[in-house]
Amino acid sequence: DAKTTQPPSMDCAEGRAANLPCNHSTISGNEYVYWYRQIHSQGPQYIIHGLKNNETNEMASLIITEDRKSSTLILPHATLRDTAVYYCIVRVAGSTLGRLYFGRGTQLTVWP
Amino acid sequence: GAGVSQTPSNKVTEKGKYVELRCDPISGHTALYWYRQSLGQGPEFLIYFQGTGAADDSGLPNDRFFAVRPEGSVSTLKIQRTERGDSAVYLCASSFFDMTGQGRTEAFFGQGTRLTVV
Repeated sequence: DAKTTQPPSMDCAEGRAANLPCNHSTISGNEYVYWYRQIHSQGPQYIIHGLKNNETNEMASLIITEDRKSSTLILPHATLRDTAVYYCIVRVAGSTLGRLYFGRGTQLTVWP
Repeated sequence: GAGVSQTPSNKVTEKGKYVELRCDPISGHTALYWYRQSLGQGPEFLIYFQGTGAADDSGLPNDRFFAVRPEGSVSTLKIQRTERGDSAVYLCASSFFDMTGQGRTEAFFGQGTRLTVV
């Protein structure tokens, strides 16, 4: 069952920030927001996750709205290697990843 | 190796044949997952193992699909009487089991096995 909505595609100039939106209006209080990405011909790669506070790691930042109905993944300085499909996923805390619904994600293309 | 290893990387088989796909998870990861990805689609869940047992096999499409993990490490996905519609990339992932309830368990995916049924 689709629990998130993402635009099918976006593009971004190299060196600029890439802001990828995700709507999860039916998210429950105990569900986390996860982001994965999949570079062509590779398996998905974990990026970041959060519950309600904004999160930052070496790859990206995650901004979650106060009502938690949407979030934005930010790649601060996109490079050509960031071209990939980005998946926004919600997952119940304490559960396994078994029933993750990936959807079709957003194809991000970074151009020189 | 340091990551999840899947073999073979590519498999071409004839319709009706039996195939086995292997997954070597990251050492120490007790949770193992199989997904299937068709062209242009996101990964679709098939089955999840916690240790040796299949904790959730509700994603297996039919009884031609079966998976085992006899020693709680390596897993084999088995497909009987293959059909052309089984052609896809089969992905394996592993993780620690999240017992903290804090959502910290990230899954590490292998490169996948591309299965083509002709």
